[in-house]
Amino acid sequence: DSGVTQTPKHLITATGQRVTLRCSPRSGDLSVYWYQQSLDQGLQFLIQYYNGEERAKGNILERFSAQQFPDLHSELNLSSLELGDSALYFCASSSRTSGGRETQYFGPGTRLLVL
Amino acid sequence: SQQGEEDPQALSIQEGENATMNCSYKTSINNLQWYRQNSGRGLVHLILIRSNEREKHSGRLRVTLDTSKKSSSLLITASRAADTASYFCATGNQAGTALIFGKGTTLSVSS
Repeated sequence: DSGVTQTPKHLITATGQRVTLRCSPRSGDLSVYWYQQSLDQGLQFLIQYYNGEERAKGNILERFSAQQFPDLHSELNLSSLELGDSALYFCASSSRTSGGRETQYFGPGTRLLVL
Repeated sequence: SQQGEEDPQALSIQEGENATMNCSYKTSINNLQWYRQNSGRGLVHLILIRSNEREKHSGRLRVTLDTSKKSSSLLITASRAADTASYFCATGNQAGTALIFGKGTTLSVSS
């Protein structure tokens, strides 16, 4: 158990809908990262937050947004969903902001299926 | 963009055999990490090797890093059925803010 929790585990929704994925980082970790894993694109970095502020953006679509709250949990909002958004969404956390230089601890993921 | 590329894409071995996976990357790195993912589950960090290290061990895992060739290898000795998983190498992006993962090697260990 990494100490990172994600809810829900599974989500089935329809095209055009909006969903919110939630992540709680390990105790004491200030950075939260969101990744998308799909069969064709592999594991891709979406966005990073550090202590409530956005720190880095990866391949995140404009239809997607995220935030980190004062208690450090984070939410990833996906809107106007398309079939191609079906994927596993992972949250990871680390203690510092330099996520590329330190170990990241991954949650179990949310499997999103868009029908 | 893909930074790390694992090779082979898939590997099938018998219990007790050693498994070797390779990773090549494109740009200079601060460190290289290996993660394991059991089917459809979260990634588990295995080992981190810094750019000034050449070899690192953790239990049955041995990682090597050759920065001149921009490559790393992960050796799992005396493999077990429980080692069946996908293995990914990851390096930091240029800003050092996030990890870039390869597409992974799928290891299957049969008893």
